[in-house]
Amino acid sequence: GENVEQHPSTLSVQEGDSAVIKCTYSDSASNYFPWYKQELGKGPQLIIDIRSNVGEKKDQRIAVTLNKTAKHFSLHITETQPEDSAVYFCALKLVFGAGTILRVKS
Amino acid sequence: DAGVIQSPRHEVTEMGQEVTLRCKPISGHNSLFWYRQTMMRGLELLIYFNNNVPIDDSGMPEDRFSAKMPNASFSTLKIQPSEPRDSAVYFCASSLSPQGRNTEAFFGQGTRLTVV
Repeated sequence: GENVEQHPSTLSVQEGDSAVIKCTYSDSASNYFPWYKQELGKGPQLIIDIRSNVGEKKDQRIAVTLNKTAKHFSLHITETQPEDSAVYFCALKLVFGAGTILRVKS
Repeated sequence: DAGVIQSPRHEVTEMGQEVTLRCKPISGHNSLFWYRQTMMRGLELLIYFNNNVPIDDSGMPEDRFSAKMPNASFSTLKIQPSEPRDSAVYFCASSLSPQGRNTEAFFGQGTRLTVV
């Protein structure tokens, strides 16, 4: 099956700073790259996704970049806010990364 | 739409008992997934269905686990007999993608199972 590695496992940033989470994968045939956010007591929820025909996609403070040659894609959160504190997952073909606990300190 | 609906939200049972978790996917979605989440193993795909047919059950840990989807609006995950190591949060998710791999998966709120 797909191998997905996600880093870092935990990330602590000051409110207003940026956060970057990276996922590497092995299957070069993958063409859909989503990021999910999981808040306490809830199921994961899609926050942004990208398809292999583009290199970057933005939605307000959130962006995803894709490097198909290097087989990695990254989640970028700018101007972080306390409500961004959650667990973030990348996913590939139904396989989820190990997750990143993001803590935004105010 | 109310989203993916799972029941119960919490289940506490004694070792050896049968446990049945239930899921109602979003209407019109043709792929349904069962995941298990633990601190040690993260989010693991147990099984997924497409058009009510099980496509991949390689993630089902043992014969004690079984899943069914008798129709497009209902699925169950059964554990018989249950063991303490089955304690986890079980999520059901659904999507529009025929293969379930290339579009957003919508997750339910999960069932927190505790086996004592």
